[in-house]
Amino acid sequence: GNSVTQMEGPVTLSEEAFLTINCTYTATGYPSLFWYVQYPGEGLQLLLKATKADDKGSNKGFEATYRKETTSFHLEKGSVQVSDSAVYFCALSDPRGSTLGRLYFGRGTQLTVWP
Amino acid sequence: GAGVSQSPSNKVTEKGKDVELRCDPISGHTALYWYRQRLGQGLEFLIYFQGNSAPDKSGLPSDRFSAERTGESVSTLTIQRTQQEDSAVYLCASSSRTGKRHEQYFGPGTRLTVT
Repeated sequence: GNSVTQMEGPVTLSEEAFLTINCTYTATGYPSLFWYVQYPGEGLQLLLKATKADDKGSNKGFEATYRKETTSFHLEKGSVQVSDSAVYFCALSDPRGSTLGRLYFGRGTQLTVWP
Repeated sequence: GAGVSQSPSNKVTEKGKDVELRCDPISGHTALYWYRQRLGQGLEFLIYFQGNSAPDKSGLPSDRFSAERTGESVSTLTIQRTQQEDSAVYLCASSSRTGKRHEQYFGPGTRLTVT
């Protein structure tokens, strides 16, 4: 079946530090991969996505590369800011499977960035 | 235009009571999803609508849970005889059938507390 495993938090970093949040997946088909972000008091927002192997999604300085050989989609940012403090969710959908685009989520990783 | 809206934002109810949660998707979005987020856990899929039909109800945890959708508009999630384990944030998302069909836009959620 489909599932997502992501690094447990919380992650605490100083401003300008390098960020990696690991995400690996199991899928029966050819999934699309996503990172969603939930800022304090706000709803989930799509941060970035990749729809096929070797694609790199990027947004707001964050990047993630779809690695089929390692079934991974790790989130990285070279220099975090206080405003990046949020919960990050890795997710997959299998658009050609029977699950009709539903998302499978990891448990979320809380990131706190200190000035 | 407006994003996905949900009401109420918070609901406190006594065990055994019925509750109804509402979701207004983005206008023109044909696909609608309900998810549940329990404390410290990832998002669990509940049900998917395409138009007003529900081809995937596999995530509904018990027959106390039901959902309806009117055309390609409002959806309601009903929980009968609530239990304490139903306490969670209930999230609704919508997506367009065409274009970026697998990009789901989330509402702010309804926080349900069963006492």
